[in-house]
Amino acid sequence: NAGVMQNPRHLVRRRGQEARLRCSPMKGHSHVYWYRQLPEEGLKFMVYLQKENIIDESGMPKERFSAEFPKEGPSILRIQQVVRGDSAAYFCASSPRQPNSGNTIYFGEGSWLTVV
Amino acid sequence: GQQLNQSPQSMFIQEGEDVSMNCTSSSIFNTWLWYKQDPGEGPVLLIALYKAGELTSNGRLTAQFGITRKDSFLNISASIPSDVGIYFCAGRNNFNKFYFGSGTKLNVKP
Repeated sequence: NAGVMQNPRHLVRRRGQEARLRCSPMKGHSHVYWYRQLPEEGLKFMVYLQKENIIDESGMPKERFSAEFPKEGPSILRIQQVVRGDSAAYFCASSPRQPNSGNTIYFGEGSWLTVV
Repeated sequence: GQQLNQSPQSMFIQEGEDVSMNCTSSSIFNTWLWYKQDPGEGPVLLIALYKAGELTSNGRLTAQFGITRKDSFLNISASIPSDVGIYFCAGRNNFNKFYFGSGTKLNVKP
């Protein structure tokens, strides 16, 4: 999947624990997107980040969820106090720097979170 | 918010048949993308369209960016069993935000 690296691929958490999902964008990409996918459903936008800046977090639940993309290191999607309804596949995608040029987004393999 | 309607939701076809699916939007997009997702994997980009009216092919796949900038279609010719999967359309707005359709699940009978 064009070099977007996500880990862990699979994560099991008990209710109330924290889940941290990491995403390293493709080389040269400075824009990161997070999407959530429930079984048999489409991709729901969560958040759009540039390095050290949240551009659009309109899809993020108001509580327990946060995302960051620091100057150094991967982007992190953090879910605190997980509940069963958080069980889903979380996909990260990245795109190149210029937002107004003919660019597109490339996805990672996804992180499957299971809350037990 | 912007809505992307993708149809059909699912298709059951015979190997060798042609397939057509489309997406319509309530708003204008400046980029249309088509992805395929296999079970347990991330979406893989098939075709990207950047101009209204653009028609682009990738092997047996052909996609078009509608003139109104509010729709796009994807055709697959002479389907084969490995075409099975879920196909997603995506549109990019002027704020560099990408919206996805709900997917078309394709089943191909050998």
